[in-house]
Amino acid sequence: DIQMTQSPSSLSASVGDRVTITCRASQSISTYLNWYQQKPGKAPKFLIYAASNLQSGVPSRFSASRSGTDFILTISSLQPEDFATYYCQQSYSTPHTFGQGTKLEI
Amino acid sequence: EVQLVESGGGLVQPGGSLRLSCAASGFTFSSYWMHWVRQAPGKGLVWVSRINSDGSSISYADSVKGRFTVSRDNAKNTLYLQMNSLRAEDTAVYFCARGQQLVPPGLDVWGPGATVTVSS
Repeated sequence: DIQMTQSPSSLSASVGDRVTITCRASQSISTYLNWYQQKPGKAPKFLIYAASNLQSGVPSRFSASRSGTDFILTISSLQPEDFATYYCQQSYSTPHTFGQGTKLEI
Repeated sequence: EVQLVESGGGLVQPGGSLRLSCAASGFTFSSYWMHWVRQAPGKGLVWVSRINSDGSSISYADSVKGRFTVSRDNAKNTLYLQMNSLRAEDTAVYFCARGQQLVPPGLDVWGPGATVTVSS
């Protein structure tokens, strides 16, 4: 199975900050990488697909990139509604494993 | 409105069975691959299973293989997850999700989740 490792596991930041979250795959997954945002008690929200493509309706302050097996999610200027847990997920092969999550806190 | 709604969750004893349903609306259900994802209390997301659009291709996580069965009824726009031989570690919120009609696909629509508690 492909392992997905996110870092950091938690992150403290302030409104207006620029933050980055990294996800590393245990083997090559091309661009088969998605990002989700989840708030407590809610279903995940789809943010990014194919490593760097913004899902419709997602604010442009969210962006993502890939370098080999490393994937980066960037939020350019944190807004209050961005404080949540973020997950990466590979869809290259089953099981479509998720990273362990990164909790973004104030 | 595109929507997924799970039902069928509840409290079940270890070794028992439960069937979850996921009712789809607002899109052509028969054209999409569908997935189940679960989340234990206070833990992260775990992919459970997926089924292709006509039900001919299915995949499971090792942790549920042989115990869980995913199926779909395209005439009823409904996805199912039959869960047998349930264990305490299966306690979780179970989400159904739609796979994008793209390659590579993400999970672009999610239901609110159904809670399954396995306890004596």
